[in-house]
Amino acid sequence: DVVMTQSPLSLPVTLGQPASISCRSSQSLVHSNGNIYLNWFQQRPGQPPRRLIYKVSNRDSGVPDRFSGSGSGTDFTLKISRVEAEDVGVYYCMQGTHWPPFTFGPGTKVDIK
Amino acid sequence: QVLLVESGGGVVQPGGSLRLSCAASGFTFSGYGMHWVRQAPGKGLEWVAFIHLDGSNEKYADSVKGRFTISRDNSKNTLYLQMNSLRTEDTAVYYCAKVIETAGNIDYWGQGTLVTVSS
Repeated sequence: DVVMTQSPLSLPVTLGQPASISCRSSQSLVHSNGNIYLNWFQQRPGQPPRRLIYKVSNRDSGVPDRFSGSGSGTDFTLKISRVEAEDVGVYYCMQGTHWPPFTFGPGTKVDIK
Repeated sequence: QVLLVESGGGVVQPGGSLRLSCAASGFTFSGYGMHWVRQAPGKGLEWVAFIHLDGSNEKYADSVKGRFTISRDNSKNTLYLQMNSLRTEDTAVYYCAKVIETAGNIDYWGQGTLVTVSS
């Protein structure tokens, strides 16, 4: 099984400052078709998850452009250029390249200092 | 717009059974694979099961294999999760989720339904 790790697990940030979350997989997430199925989800308190980024770096419709994703192989990053209050929540990476099982990272909790 | 509405959650005793439903609308249900993903109280996301768009292929997490069955009725635009031999560790919010392009690419989630296994 592919194990997903994230760091940090807790990220207190100052409003207006940048934030960065790392996600690593135990094996390369490059699919045989050349795609990398690594998604990022945001879960605000009391809400279901919402996809922010798909296939490493593609931002979903309606997602503010302060969110960006990057990476390759086994190392991936979600960046928030300037954190706003509405960004508070838990962020999960998920791999969908090698399955079953589909695996999520443990989550990174973002809150305001 | 895509809408996924789960139902069927509740309180059940260990060893009991429950069937969850997920009513889909706003897209051609028969054209997409679907997942069930759960989240225990205060914990992270755990994948449970996946079913191909025509029901021809099902996959399960080891933790539920042999106890849970995922199915779908494309004529009713509904996804199901039959849960048998429930354990206290199955207590969680259960989400249905839609995929796009490939099984590993979830794009939409429902609001979830809470299952509590307790005596």
